[in-house]
Amino acid sequence: AQTVTQSQPEMSVQEAETVTLSCTYDTSENNYYLFWYKQPPSRQMILVIRQEAYKQQNATENRFSVNFQKAAKSFSLKISDSQLGDTAMYFCAFRPPNSGYALNFGKGTSLLVTP
Amino acid sequence: DVKVTQSSRYLVKRTGEKVFLECVQDMDHENMFWYRQDPGLGLRLIYFSYDVKMKEKGDIPEGYSVSREKKERFSLILESASTNQTSMYLCASSLSSDSARRVDFNYGYTFGSGTRLTVV
Repeated sequence: AQTVTQSQPEMSVQEAETVTLSCTYDTSENNYYLFWYKQPPSRQMILVIRQEAYKQQNATENRFSVNFQKAAKSFSLKISDSQLGDTAMYFCAFRPPNSGYALNFGKGTSLLVTP
Repeated sequence: DVKVTQSSRYLVKRTGEKVFLECVQDMDHENMFWYRQDPGLGLRLIYFSYDVKMKEKGDIPEGYSVSREKKERFSLILESASTNQTSMYLCASSLSSDSARRVDFNYGYTFGSGTRLTVV
């Protein structure tokens, strides 16, 4: 079974600063998919960014980018120019390539953005 | 806009009751999932389904069952609710791998907004 580890239960960052959330995973698969999800206080889970393991280029979505290190099995999320609305739980997730397979989630990192 | 709808946002039930949590998606997704979310434990998979009438156990299926009679609806059933089933329940759906490959490799989930269940 694949495991996903988020080693930072809580983090805090000031508005406009940059913060990096860590995620490591364990798998014997070669092709897989990685995701970061955001869950604000509204509870709605929102996809932030995704990465295909076969792509070497790191994914970027506006202020959000990842540092994907396949050999190290590391998938960190960088949030630049942090905004108050970024305050949320962030979950890292791993998906194997086969149809129907579920996402494995980390335990989450609670991010607080302060003024 | 794609949507996954969970029938209740908050629910309070008594110990021993049979509880139904309903989830409906309007995206024609093949896969549907039920997770429970607890502080410090993240999201844990209860059951999932990759087709109508098909179901697979997740990591914590004990005390739960599911039903998928139609493609768009996936129900989670607590046969006899217990206090340790007090939790947040999240439903999600996704395309199958074959379908996702045709849609820009979109393997992500779409989530419902959750049902916070309290068993007293």
